[in-house]
Amino acid sequence: AQSVAQPEDQVNVAEGNPLTVKCTYSVSGNPYLFWYVQYPNRGLQFLLKYITGDNLVKGSYGFEAEFNKSQTSFHLKKPSALVSDSALYFCAVRVGSSNTGKLIFGQGTTLQVKP
Amino acid sequence: DAGVIQSPRHEVTEMGQEVTLRCKPISGHNSLFWYRQTMMRGLELLIYFNNNVPIDDSGMPEDRFSAKMPNASFSTLKIQPSEPRDSAVYFCASSFSGTSGLTYEQYFGPGTRLTVT
Repeated sequence: AQSVAQPEDQVNVAEGNPLTVKCTYSVSGNPYLFWYVQYPNRGLQFLLKYITGDNLVKGSYGFEAEFNKSQTSFHLKKPSALVSDSALYFCAVRVGSSNTGKLIFGQGTTLQVKP
Repeated sequence: DAGVIQSPRHEVTEMGQEVTLRCKPISGHNSLFWYRQTMMRGLELLIYFNNNVPIDDSGMPEDRFSAKMPNASFSTLKIQPSEPRDSAVYFCASSFSGTSGLTYEQYFGPGTRLTVT
């Protein structure tokens, strides 16, 4: 079965420290992977995606993610966390054919950045 | 572009009443998705359309839920009759999907917070 998992419900990090939010996936074929962020009382916002090419993908707000095929992982990273990065983060993987674009989402990880 | 537009932003209704949620996707997008978000179940895909045609409605909870997309710029999600367990935030999202093999990201609306008492 195709799935995506975020093993941590919450990640706590101090401002200025590097952060990592973990994501693993299980799909048939080539994975197309996404990260989204959700601030309180808002819709999800697209951060970045991996389709093909370089394993290190750069996205919005200084975030990046590393695709690791052997470990079936797509961890979200940022070198220096900001308090304003505190939010709910979702990893997603495309399933089905490319002309429909259906995604399945992980359960989300709450990132708490403390001053 | 105004982004994905949803209305109403908040809806409070009594059990048994009909509820209609509305969505206007981003112009030029040809795929539309309805999601439901709750603390217990997280983010669930209810149904999605491609070129106004429902492709997968396997996530629709039961017959009380129905969705339509009469044209490329409008979709509705209807709950009739509503029940307290339908209380959630309902999101609409749109994207462009083509036959080129490229995969584009989904853009989400602000959501409709539904409370059924």
